[in-house]
Amino acid sequence: DAGVIQSPRHEVTEMGQEVTLRCKPISGHDYLFWYRQTMMRGLELLIYFNNNVPIDDSGMPEDRFSAKMPNASFSTLKIQPSEPRDSAVYFCASSAGTFEAFFGQGTRLTVV
Amino acid sequence: DQQVKQNSPSLSVQEGRISILNCDYTNSMFDYFLWYKKYPAEGPTFLISISSIKDKNEDGRFTVFLNKSAKHLSLHIVPSQPGDSAVYFCAASLGDYKLSFGAGTTVTVRA
Repeated sequence: DAGVIQSPRHEVTEMGQEVTLRCKPISGHDYLFWYRQTMMRGLELLIYFNNNVPIDDSGMPEDRFSAKMPNASFSTLKIQPSEPRDSAVYFCASSAGTFEAFFGQGTRLTVV
Repeated sequence: DQQVKQNSPSLSVQEGRISILNCDYTNSMFDYFLWYKKYPAEGPTFLISISSIKDKNEDGRFTVFLNKSAKHLSLHIVPSQPGDSAVYFCAASLGDYKLSFGAGTTVTVRA
């Protein structure tokens, strides 16, 4: 298995633009997580899905952030409009119903 | 508020010696704990875990110890190898799938 695949690996965008991050989980995994890593807050959970249904989005910082999982093999995290303070590394992870999640390589987002 | 704390940002150890990484938590309801390892430009990878009903779990060179009364866990790496140089994150769960992570400890293994 190729593992969790995220795209793009790097994204540089201007403030106010819409940004869409993509994730393909490991086949057969029924849980999908979006994390954000910053210097100030470390690794924090934004939202997670079970069987494509959002279970807990309490970590989503603002209404500018939204996440979808239209099917078992694809999820998106959208920021609209983006702001410089959204600059971070965003990780997607998946698991097969265990606590041990498998992480993708991350998307480094820079908003200028 | 940080419920999982790794108070040592960095650790330097000689190859072949023991590395001891520490983690403290504040929420006594945490019932599952994990350690992740992260190399630069990669995502974290799962290393080892322990349930709150145990006080020790061992996997090869890696051993995790849990002291519930002190709300403290530690990761021992014996012997340390150059490939162990990475950032190590401690994480905890309340029994759901939401993991609370510590800030990480950067381990450097010197030849």
